[in-house]
Amino acid sequence: EDQVTQSPEALRLQEGESSSLNCSYTVSGLRGLFWYRQDPGKGPEFLFTLYSAGEEKEKERLKATLTKKESFLHITAPKPEDSATYLCAVQAQGAGSYQLTFGKGTKLSVIP
Amino acid sequence: DGGITQSPKYLFRKEGQNVTLSCEQNLNHDAMYWYRQDPGQGLRLIYYSQIVNDFQKGDIAEGYSVSREKKESFPLTVTSAQKNPTAFYLCASSKTDPIMYSNQPQHFGDGTRLSIL
Repeated sequence: EDQVTQSPEALRLQEGESSSLNCSYTVSGLRGLFWYRQDPGKGPEFLFTLYSAGEEKEKERLKATLTKKESFLHITAPKPEDSATYLCAVQAQGAGSYQLTFGKGTKLSVIP
Repeated sequence: DGGITQSPKYLFRKEGQNVTLSCEQNLNHDAMYWYRQDPGQGLRLIYYSQIVNDFQKGDIAEGYSVSREKKESFPLTVTSAQKNPTAFYLCASSKTDPIMYSNQPQHFGDGTRLSIL
């Protein structure tokens, strides 16, 4: 069974204080790992897809990295508008495997 | 602008009542999905459809039903058999690649919050 564990559950940062969110996964062959941002009362917004170990993607203050067992979302000099819940999901290899398995998310709060 | 529209934003269900949540997309995506989100839990897949007139059960399909008569539309009915329907329901869509079982990202609507009266 595919599993995704995100840590920490919640993270409180001062504005400008860089940190990382973790996504550990077990899957029978990784086809892709996805990061999403979700604001309260809204649907998840797609951020990144990572396909293979060693890959990195960047967008503004966010950088996602991938190893064979986990992914990190690095947040550099965060601003209050980066406050949200960040979700990680994996897609496994296999016939018809369009399905995603999601973690429970990390709720990030950035304090001015 | 292309996107996914879910309606209504809020919905209330009485005991013994079936209710239908609407999901429409104009992204020309083949695949559509329904998820349920509860506090402190990850998104859980209810149903998905890769092509018109075909759909498959996800992990928590009991008490729910769907139809896919048009590419753009994938309505979800929460039946009276679903004893704990209070949740945030999210619809998503994605491109597909039947050969590679594509890892294209899923794009989400802004959800419907269902509560019990």
